[in-house]
Amino acid sequence: EDKVVQSPLSLVVHEGDTVTLNCSYEVTNFRSLLWYKQEKKAPTFLFMLTSSGIEKKSGRLSSILDKKELFSILNITATQTGDSAIYLCAVEGLQGGSEKLVFGKGTKLTVNP
Amino acid sequence: AAGVIQSPRHLIKEKRETATLKCYPIPRHDTVYWYQQGPGQDPQFLISFYEKMQSDKGSIPDRFSAQQFSDYHSELNMSSLELGDSALYFCASSLDQGALGQYFGPGTRLTVT
Repeated sequence: EDKVVQSPLSLVVHEGDTVTLNCSYEVTNFRSLLWYKQEKKAPTFLFMLTSSGIEKKSGRLSSILDKKELFSILNITATQTGDSAIYLCAVEGLQGGSEKLVFGKGTKLTVNP
Repeated sequence: AAGVIQSPRHLIKEKRETATLKCYPIPRHDTVYWYQQGPGQDPQFLISFYEKMQSDKGSIPDRFSAQQFSDYHSELNMSSLELGDSALYFCASSLDQGALGQYFGPGTRLTVT
């Protein structure tokens, strides 16, 4: 059964801290892993990872994928209160000729001033 | 553990037809959200229900309607389908209007031909 497991479920830090969010997965015919940030309504796209060992960066956020160990991490350095959100990991696979996207339960990050 | 169930998983319709997508939330979850995700796009929030009442409305077309029933399952009714309605439709559920995050279902892939 396809599954995506994120940890921790919830994290509370102070501004300036660095955090690492984890995502492990089991999915049929892996195609990509995606990270989203969800604040109030719909998730917004952060990164798409398809190859192992290649770090993707966007400002203070970075992410890397390990296809051998089936996990990804999302790092946020020098956290700010605006980083408070739920971070979702989703994995895209191919089954029976059609794509499927499996979401994890998310990590709720709270950054306190 | 039980997850969000969506049916059908795949649906092919012709233009101007109607479609009904169903979502069964995690037991005891009282809030349901509907999202539409086009190819290469972020999920777009459509509509949400809390305790069987519409709680928020996003970019849901007038041709679509939705409701939440007494057993908390929800249905998204789509009429006069257009080619542009082809997308992945996600349902998510939560407890207490998402205070602890949303749990996403596997999605229904709708193809309009």
